[in-house]
Amino acid sequence: GAGVSQSPSNKVTEKGKDVELRCDPISGHTALYWYRQRLGQGLEFLIYFQGNSAPDKSGLPSDRFSAERTGESVSTLTIQRTQQEDSAVYLCASSLKWTSGSYEQYFGPGTRLTVT
Amino acid sequence: LAKTTQPISMDSYEGQEVNITCSHNNIATNDYITWYQQFPSQGPRFIIQGYKTKVTNEVASLFIPADRKSSTLSLPRVSLSDTAVYYCLGRLFNKFYFGSGTKLNVKP
Repeated sequence: GAGVSQSPSNKVTEKGKDVELRCDPISGHTALYWYRQRLGQGLEFLIYFQGNSAPDKSGLPSDRFSAERTGESVSTLTIQRTQQEDSAVYLCASSLKWTSGSYEQYFGPGTRLTVT
Repeated sequence: LAKTTQPISMDSYEGQEVNITCSHNNIATNDYITWYQQFPSQGPRFIIQGYKTKVTNEVASLFIPADRKSSTLSLPRVSLSDTAVYYCLGRLFNKFYFGSGTKLNVKP
């Protein structure tokens, strides 16, 4: 079946512009996760959704970042007034609803964001 | 804070067994411990998960001691294609913490 898809695959934007990143999870996956990975570094957790609810938004780096999810489907991560430090690969993952502490996450290919 | 700590890098030769340990002091007590593999320019890929003792699948084994404060990923007889970065993943409340990643370099 189809995996997690993300769009665009690459985005180059000027400092100060807003960008919107999209994630389409695997059908039937109720949980959706966003991570950021800077060049040569590990994965930084941003936010997760269970259905369309995000229990904790404190992982978002600043108030320029926001995320929403429509039902148990597509999610968008919006970055307002982009800064050069926002340059990174933004990865989305989805999983079935947690059962007994198990949350095998399936990742998309990521969106590479470059802020010039 | 759910810190997950791993060695930065490891070298191995083809055919050897590789063990990578992750320390995770305060992850959620009821959660599975999960490991991922990441190749350059790709998203991480699930390898294995376990709750306690030992779990084995077709690609790896996972050893988890009784106190669950660490876990060890074991890759039997590695090949060149196993060269990648390996991450452990833990959760604390509503946040997920990947380790810093262990870059495994398999040499011929």
